[in-house]
Amino acid sequence: GENVEQHPSTLSVQEGDSAVIKCTYSDSASNYFPWYKQELGKRPQLIIDIRSNVGEKKDQRIAVTLNKTAKHFSLHITETQPEDSAVYFCAASMGGGSYIPTFGRGTSLIVHP
Amino acid sequence: KAGVTQTPRYLIKTRGQQVTLSCSPISGHRSVSWYQQTPGQGLQFLFEYFSETQRNKGNFPGRFSGRQFSNSRSEMNVSTLELGDSALYLCASSWSSGANVLTFGAGSRLTVL
Repeated sequence: GENVEQHPSTLSVQEGDSAVIKCTYSDSASNYFPWYKQELGKRPQLIIDIRSNVGEKKDQRIAVTLNKTAKHFSLHITETQPEDSAVYFCAASMGGGSYIPTFGRGTSLIVHP
Repeated sequence: KAGVTQTPRYLIKTRGQQVTLSCSPISGHRSVSWYQQTPGQGLQFLFEYFSETQRNKGNFPGRFSGRQFSNSRSEMNVSTLELGDSALYLCASSWSSGANVLTFGAGSRLTVL
């Protein structure tokens, strides 16, 4: 089955810095890569996703890049703010009946004011 | 429209007991999946139901079971509870078994003493 590795497990940055979280996946058939943000005590929420037919997607201060050849994808957050502090999960899945996403173990991002 | 609703939000059980958790998906969503979240382990997939049928199952022992009703509401049951079952149990709904975007509930936090 699919295996998703996520690094780092903890990331500490100063407000205004950029943050990068990286994930690798094992199954070349995976074609959908979402990122979820989970604030302390709250539910995971989708913040951005990318499909295998594009290499990069941006939404304001966040962006995701995908390298299908190397089977890795990354989340980039620019101009970090304290409210960005949360656990971020990457996931990989295939379409159709095997769509169940496999999640990484999460990255705890801490943004210091 | 209402989001994904999970009940109960918190519960405490003792070893050997059983527990039933409930999940009401977003109106119109027919797929419900369940995840176990523990510190450092990320989101571990339990099972997914679509139209009252279990479509996918994760690598959990038979003590973990679930079902889905005709109104798409789902329940999961854990029998003979063990200390290691202490976790946040999240359910997520999507409109179809082939759809990728998941909307999570707030979770049921189970503590086993």
